[in-house]
Amino acid sequence: EVRLVESGGGLIQPGGSLRLSCEASGFNFSNYGLSWVRQGPGKGLEWVSAISGSGGRTYYADSVKGRFTISRDNSKDTLFLQMDTLRAEDTALYYCARAGYNTAGGTYWGQGTLVTVSS
Amino acid sequence: DIVMTQSPLSLAVTPGEPASISCRSSQSLLHSNGYNYVDWYLQKPGQSPHLLIYLGSIRASGVPDRFSGSGSGTDFTLKISRVEAEDVGVYYCMQPLQSPFTFGPGTKVDIK
Repeated sequence: EVRLVESGGGLIQPGGSLRLSCEASGFNFSNYGLSWVRQGPGKGLEWVSAISGSGGRTYYADSVKGRFTISRDNSKDTLFLQMDTLRAEDTALYYCARAGYNTAGGTYWGQGTLVTVSS
Repeated sequence: DIVMTQSPLSLAVTPGEPASISCRSSQSLLHSNGYNYVDWYLQKPGQSPHLLIYLGSIRASGVPDRFSGSGSGTDFTLKISRVEAEDVGVYYCMQPLQSPFTFGPGTKVDIK
């Protein structure tokens, strides 16, 4: 069974940093691209970032480019999202998603971790 | 960037009746391999999204056959042949073809 479990969310002040993690199990981790997708309060889905199976290719939404860094540790089956210079508009539920046929996309999703940016 | 639009943005359907959602992209999603790179997701109330259709028309594992996807290029459609009460939620199309990868705004489906 494929499982994706996010952690690391919390309340953080504007300008602060946070590191999200997504622990995966049930599949050959290094074979699949992974994404972070977020959902602001009462809003739709917003793709944030993606990384290829090897970690050699990374992609970012314009809204987070230069502030967020995606990475993965294939020896620990874990995906990360380092979030710096956080803004109020980054407040959202952050999902980890595993791709199917491409680097992005979500064949499987986690339950999400909540990030609240507020003073 | 590829912009994804959906219509309608909300839909109320009588159980047993069909429903259709349109998704349009600002650029062609037809890959050189012949597949259209568009996925459809359903987010039920209080749940994470889950995949319904990938590559435009292929049902994901476990998805009932009342769901179907069609279209090519820039115009795509998700159809539910006979809506059931469990189908309520927000439906999203998404393009995983070109970064930044983008979702449509979502279509909220309710039961009459």
